[in-house]
Amino acid sequence: EDKVVQSPLSLVVHEGDTVTLNCSYEVTNFRSLLWYKQEKKAPTFLFMLTSSGIEKKSGRLSSILDKKELFSILNITATQTGDSAVYLCAVEAWNQGGKLIFGQGTELSVKP
Amino acid sequence: GAVVSQHPSWVICKSGTSVKIECRSLDFQATTMFWYRQFPKQSLMLMATSNEGSKATYEQGVEKDKFLINHASLTLSTLTVTSAHPEDSSFYICSAEHGGAYNEQFFGPGTRLTVL
Repeated sequence: EDKVVQSPLSLVVHEGDTVTLNCSYEVTNFRSLLWYKQEKKAPTFLFMLTSSGIEKKSGRLSSILDKKELFSILNITATQTGDSAVYLCAVEAWNQGGKLIFGQGTELSVKP
Repeated sequence: GAVVSQHPSWVICKSGTSVKIECRSLDFQATTMFWYRQFPKQSLMLMATSNEGSKATYEQGVEKDKFLINHASLTLSTLTVTSAHPEDSSFYICSAEHGGAYNEQFFGPGTRLTVL
């Protein structure tokens, strides 16, 4: 059965710290892995990863995929209180009609 | 671009009533939309895939007669929770698939349903 596991489930850091969030997956016919940020409402898209070893970067956030070891990490440097959110990882397989399988999420809390 | 709206953003209803939630893609056409539910402190669970002009595909364990989905146009899908009960209280989120190389999904802002 396809599954996505995120760790840690929750994390508390102070402003300025760097955090690394983990996502491991088992899926047949992997197509892509996506990271989302969820605050009070619906998830907002961060990254889509399809190829191993190619880092995607957006400001203080970056992510990379390892298709051999079946995991991805999301890094946030110089964290700010506005980074506090639940970070969701999802995977998509080919021939599944676009269906996304989500992990449990990592709840990040950044203290001033 | 690629904005998805949901209406209502929140609803409170009595047990036994039916509630309709709308999901609209505002600036693109979406052949496929997805409906998720999310319980507090939990992740998104896919309920069903909504395809324009055809019947929805429901995930295992989701009652199709209780959660009626209609995707009547390329910009609108509706989810009707029939005979709602307190255990149906949840956060319902839709997403719409945007065409292109990767068929990226864009999420609506969600609807908070509370059944008394």
